[in-house]
Amino acid sequence: GENVEQHPSTLSVQEGDSAVIKCTYSDSASNYFPWYKQELGKRPQLIIDIRSNVGEKKDQRIAVTLNKTAKHFSLHITETQPEDSAVYFCAASSYNYGQNFVFGPGTRLSVLP
Amino acid sequence: EAQVTQNPRYLITVTGKKLTVTCSQNMNHEYMSWYRQDPGLGLRQIYYSMNVEVTDKGDVPEGYKVSRKEKRNFPLILESPSPNQTSLYFCASSLSGGSGNTIYFGEGSWLTVV
Repeated sequence: GENVEQHPSTLSVQEGDSAVIKCTYSDSASNYFPWYKQELGKRPQLIIDIRSNVGEKKDQRIAVTLNKTAKHFSLHITETQPEDSAVYFCAASSYNYGQNFVFGPGTRLSVLP
Repeated sequence: EAQVTQNPRYLITVTGKKLTVTCSQNMNHEYMSWYRQDPGLGLRQIYYSMNVEVTDKGDVPEGYKVSRKEKRNFPLILESPSPNQTSLYFCASSLSGGSGNTIYFGEGSWLTVV
């Protein structure tokens, strides 16, 4: 089945700096890639997503890029703020597996004041 | 309001005592899924369902059962809970699997098996 890897597992940045989290996937048929943010003790919530027919998508301070050839996609957060501190999960969905979602293991981002 | 509702939110139970965690969504979603989350291990899928009467194993199905008799409900059943099933459980739903459809998560159910 689909396998999603995510790096780094933990990331600390200074407030105002940028943060980048990268995910790789194994199934070339994967066609949808969402990113979720989970604050401590809360449920994961969608922050941005991208489909396989698009290379980049941006929403204010966050952006996602997709490289289908290399089978990886990345989350970029600019001008980080303390409220960006959370665990971030990437996911991939492939029609080869009934469009089931497979999540990466998560990245704990800490934004230091 | 669109939502995924799980019950109970918190439960302490004893080894071997059957329990059911209910999950209900009011969005007429076809896809529903259960995940468990343990420290440092992210979200691991237990079972998922693409539609009524269609269920499939995820990565960690051992010790769990599910059923999907109607579209809105997807209960998770622990026939004989053991301490290694102590975890935070999330139910999730989506209009249909993948295809650019957002997954909505329930608030989570904290389960402790002693």
